[in-house]
Amino acid sequence: QQQVKQSPQSLIVQKGGISIINCAYENTAFDYFPWYQQFPGKGPALLIAIRPDVSEKKEGRFTISFNKSAKQFSLHIMDSQPGDSATYFCAAQLTLASGYALNFGKGTSLLVTP
Amino acid sequence: DSGVTQTPKHLITATGQRVTLRCSPRSGDLSVYWYQQSLDQGLQFLIQYYNGEERAKGNILERFSAQQFPDLHSELNLSSLELGDSALYFCASSVGRASGGVGANVLTFGAGSRLTVL
Repeated sequence: QQQVKQSPQSLIVQKGGISIINCAYENTAFDYFPWYQQFPGKGPALLIAIRPDVSEKKEGRFTISFNKSAKQFSLHIMDSQPGDSATYFCAAQLTLASGYALNFGKGTSLLVTP
Repeated sequence: DSGVTQTPKHLITATGQRVTLRCSPRSGDLSVYWYQQSLDQGLQFLIQYYNGEERAKGNILERFSAQQFPDLHSELNLSSLELGDSALYFCASSVGRASGGVGANVLTFGAGSRLTVL
């Protein structure tokens, strides 16, 4: 069972446009919500993250919006650039007594056209 | 280079065989995680170790096993391989903590090991 649902599966945006990727979760025990960016042939790398007590976090052109009541969060990429073309994964972390479990969405393949 | 080293990068084997994937975590990281990435399932959490001890288990098949050694490197053993086991296997590491600590768990991923089962 996928604990984090991500959409869309793929996205094509023109250079300069806004890319929006959405995620939803059910488990209210999740306590940390990172986004990872993966380029072809590479492993995922942390892009930006948010805690559930914050509604928005911005780092440069990347913004996470978090809606705790709706159990949804999204990534906005402003002024999208061809170099942003990658696969983006949202994730939700569960802190256990013995460690952590990070559950990923299925990923969104973003293509930014020139 | 993320600092997490995975070997081999590519592996082709036959059904029924057994393979071992190796991971060296980033210097200073005590936790190691294994993930399986396939086209239809995305990144699936398999298992986590902290300082040699198993800490969390995800969707890991009984045919798969892992361990973390005293030098903190980890191995993922896949046996009785099936066609459906073909995937990218990622190792990630983090500083981790023995317990708790929200936000203290930033994962650094290796480049992955691509397994093809024929």
